[in-house]
Amino acid sequence: NAGVMQNPRHLVRRRGQEARLRCSPMKGHSHVYWYRQLPEEGLKFMVYLQKENIIDESGMPKERFSAEFPKEGPSILRIQQVVRGDSAAYFCASSPTSGKGEAKNIQYFGAGTRLSVL
Amino acid sequence: QKEVEQDPGPLSVPEGAIVSLNCTYSNSAFQYFMWYRQYSRKGPELLMYTYSSGNKEDGRFTAQVDKSSKYISLFIRDSQPSDSATYLCAMSAIGQGGKLIFGQGTELSVKP
Repeated sequence: NAGVMQNPRHLVRRRGQEARLRCSPMKGHSHVYWYRQLPEEGLKFMVYLQKENIIDESGMPKERFSAEFPKEGPSILRIQQVVRGDSAAYFCASSPTSGKGEAKNIQYFGAGTRLSVL
Repeated sequence: QKEVEQDPGPLSVPEGAIVSLNCTYSNSAFQYFMWYRQYSRKGPELLMYTYSSGNKEDGRFTAQVDKSSKYISLFIRDSQPSDSATYLCAMSAIGQGGKLIFGQGTELSVKP
């Protein structure tokens, strides 16, 4: 059973370009979360999605950032007009669709995408 | 004040030592408590998961939650060099959609 798959693992963009980060959840999971990890900091929540719905985007910057989780295909985190401050590791996590109440809160993380903005 | 406080370390111990890692938090609504291990340039790996207060043991790892003190701990017995990593505490509240709030992480080094 494959884990959470993220690609690309490394992404280099110049200032002003767009970055697209992809995440495929674990099999049987329909809840996806995106987190950002800046150097020397812990992970910060960005957005929580279910299929075709954004549930909580309270951690997303108001501009340039968007996320989607279509009915078919991976979840996408999109950053438009990247700036150097966007350089970070972006992690995706997924949690089960069903199961006991506690188990549904367990999140499993992918290996991350390391974005470097030149 | 951060919702979750964790001493970033670094913490260095000799092989075989008992390691104690801790987090404090301010939000009394937190009910789910997790410890993740993160190796350099890798994704966080779930180690322990606890709901509400109490202790949980899994092999060399023991997690404790004291909700009255808003304090959680992770103990590692018989520490090994392979335990060298950053340990992240994380927690979430009921009704917040599973959003995890993380501590900064404690960097642990176990010396042979």
